[in-house]
Amino acid sequence: DTAVSQTPKYLVTQMGNDKSIKCEQNLGHDTMYWYKQDSKKFLKIMFSYNNKELIINETVPNRFSPKSPDKAHLNLHINSLELGDSAVYFCASSQADRGSQPQHFGDGTRLSIL
Amino acid sequence: AQSVTQLGSHVSVSEGALVLLRCNYSSSVPPYLFWYVQYPNQGLQLLLKYTSAATLVKGINGFEAEFKKSETSFHLTKPSAHMSDAAEYFCAVSEPSGTYKYIFGTGTRLKVLA
Repeated sequence: DTAVSQTPKYLVTQMGNDKSIKCEQNLGHDTMYWYKQDSKKFLKIMFSYNNKELIINETVPNRFSPKSPDKAHLNLHINSLELGDSAVYFCASSQADRGSQPQHFGDGTRLSIL
Repeated sequence: AQSVTQLGSHVSVSEGALVLLRCNYSSSVPPYLFWYVQYPNQGLQLLLKYTSAATLVKGINGFEAEFKKSETSFHLTKPSAHMSDAAEYFCAVSEPSGTYKYIFGTGTRLKVLA
């Protein structure tokens, strides 16, 4: 019974296309996140939602747009994909408790731009 | 702003030898600290967390970490390395002020030699 699930696991597409990644968590957590992991394994926070409200919006191109229809789902839509968008994107969730609770991660979506 | 430094992007140990992965944080207020492990093609999994209850924290798979406020460190250790410990390890910190943000170190790749 997967706690944080992302779809698709792999995404290969052409430059200029628009794509979406979906994330769902069944842990009952209040907060969800999107991270980007580059080829050197560096993890960069992109967005975070708490109870469907955007609370973290890091310096990310506005081609990236998150959407949280309810607190169990957080999707990421990317317009006009560029070569530099190739990376692994991780969704995570945590219970909001002043930062004392760990994050639970999905297995990632490997995005490759041709 | 919070930061996390992991010394050594690559660490190699022999099977059965001590594992020591270093993590230093910068914070004027004791933060919450976490160690995560990432196996190939998987998401991050929590190894252990420090939330001020005890300075020596025991985690899964025989790992433990000691919080040293005077050294602003939270190093991860395991007495005897196993081949299955080969993975990427991340130290992370969150601020007790409740900003919902977790800051990750750049990761340490652990290689276990037979």
